[in-house]
Amino acid sequence: DAGVIQSPRHEVTEMGQEVTLRCKPISGHNSLFWYRQTMMRGLELLIYFNNNVPIDDSGMPEDRFSAKMPNASFSTLKIQPSEPRDSAVYFCASSFGLFQGGEQYFGPGTRLTVT
Amino acid sequence: AQTVTQSQPEMSVQEAETVTLSCTYDTSESDYYLFWYKQPPSRQMILVIRQEAYKQQNATENRFSVNFQKAAKSFSLKISDSQLGDAAMYFCAYRSGGGADGLTFGKGTHLIIQP
Repeated sequence: DAGVIQSPRHEVTEMGQEVTLRCKPISGHNSLFWYRQTMMRGLELLIYFNNNVPIDDSGMPEDRFSAKMPNASFSTLKIQPSEPRDSAVYFCASSFGLFQGGEQYFGPGTRLTVT
Repeated sequence: AQTVTQSQPEMSVQEAETVTLSCTYDTSESDYYLFWYKQPPSRQMILVIRQEAYKQQNATENRFSVNFQKAAKSFSLKISDSQLGDAAMYFCAYRSGGGADGLTFGKGTHLIIQP
């Protein structure tokens, strides 16, 4: 299996621009997670989906952030408008229910820089 | 809400020696899972070891083992025969056992291997 795929790997954008991060989970996995990693706050859960349905978005920092999962093989995280404080590494992870304790497989991350 | 605390921002060990990384957590739940993830400079998150709270036996994976003390809410990672490739950030993580929830991470411990 190719693992969790994220694109782009690096994104540099100007403040105020729209940013879209993409994720393809492992085939057969039914849960998908978006995390953000910063030096100040560490790794934080932003939102997660079960069977394409958003379950908990309490970690989404503000209304500028939105996430969708239109089908089992694709999810997006959108920031509009972007701000310099959104600069971080964004990880997508997927898992299959409680198999192996709900072990989550992480993608390589997208490093976002907002100038 | 659950919290995970890693009190050692950085640890250093000589190659071939043994090192223990500490982790404590706070929860009111009885059913949960604990994980250690490794993040090398490539930033890829790699699962090192998992522990189910209902299991009394400590998990082991080759040179990696845990000391799980449920009553004390402690979950330390022991790395035996340290190798240069073990140098990385190590994150302790908690997940509720009730469903496919997201992970709560500690702040991480930076492990340095001295040759």
